[in-house]
Amino acid sequence: SAVISQKPSRDICQRGTSLTIQCQVDSQVTMMFWYRQQPGQSLTLIATANQGSEATYESGFVIDKFPISRPNLTFSTLTVSNMSPEDSSIYLCSVAVTGNTEAFFGQGTRLTVV
Amino acid sequence: GQQLNQSPQSMFIQEGEDVSMNCTSSSIFNTWLWYKQDPGEGPVLLIALYKAGELTSNGRLTAQFGITRKDSFLNISASIPSDVGIYFCAGLNNDMRFGAGTRLTVKP
Repeated sequence: SAVISQKPSRDICQRGTSLTIQCQVDSQVTMMFWYRQQPGQSLTLIATANQGSEATYESGFVIDKFPISRPNLTFSTLTVSNMSPEDSSIYLCSVAVTGNTEAFFGQGTRLTVV
Repeated sequence: GQQLNQSPQSMFIQEGEDVSMNCTSSSIFNTWLWYKQDPGEGPVLLIALYKAGELTSNGRLTAQFGITRKDSFLNISASIPSDVGIYFCAGLNNDMRFGAGTRLTVKP
């Protein structure tokens, strides 16, 4: 398994500002993913964070709005830029281990934009 | 992208009853995963399935990976109140896709 530390656990932000969420893993992993989960909904994949190259974004998500960094095999950040109330959600980091046979989650970041 | 269809959307059962939920997909996955999510927490991995036709148990949980690699089911036997939560299926290839979730309520 993998232990994932995600920070911050929650934040309340003013519209127009940006928030950077950090994801730290206790071991090197190949795949890191960022998800958004609206209240009562399923998880929607934002992007796959690639080490050493640009993240792969899903349809409806763009780099200017959700820039992602992955400087090494244990760390990634997701920035929610120029926030609006519609960005209020839970953001989750996930990692896949052992040849993409299992995937684990951080505890999530609950973001409220006011 | 790949879509996972999970059913039922919700279930209300009595303590002690068995539960079954399933997922289907239009695409093949190399790995199927089942998660449980409690309020305010990230999803917790329950069972991982790697081989078509594989049947795997974890305590009172049993899950199977469909022969076509496009479906999976999860059974919970003899439910208890702490089984309450939202259960998600997920398919893992080069990325991971989720079903809509099954919200389980267990009445004591």
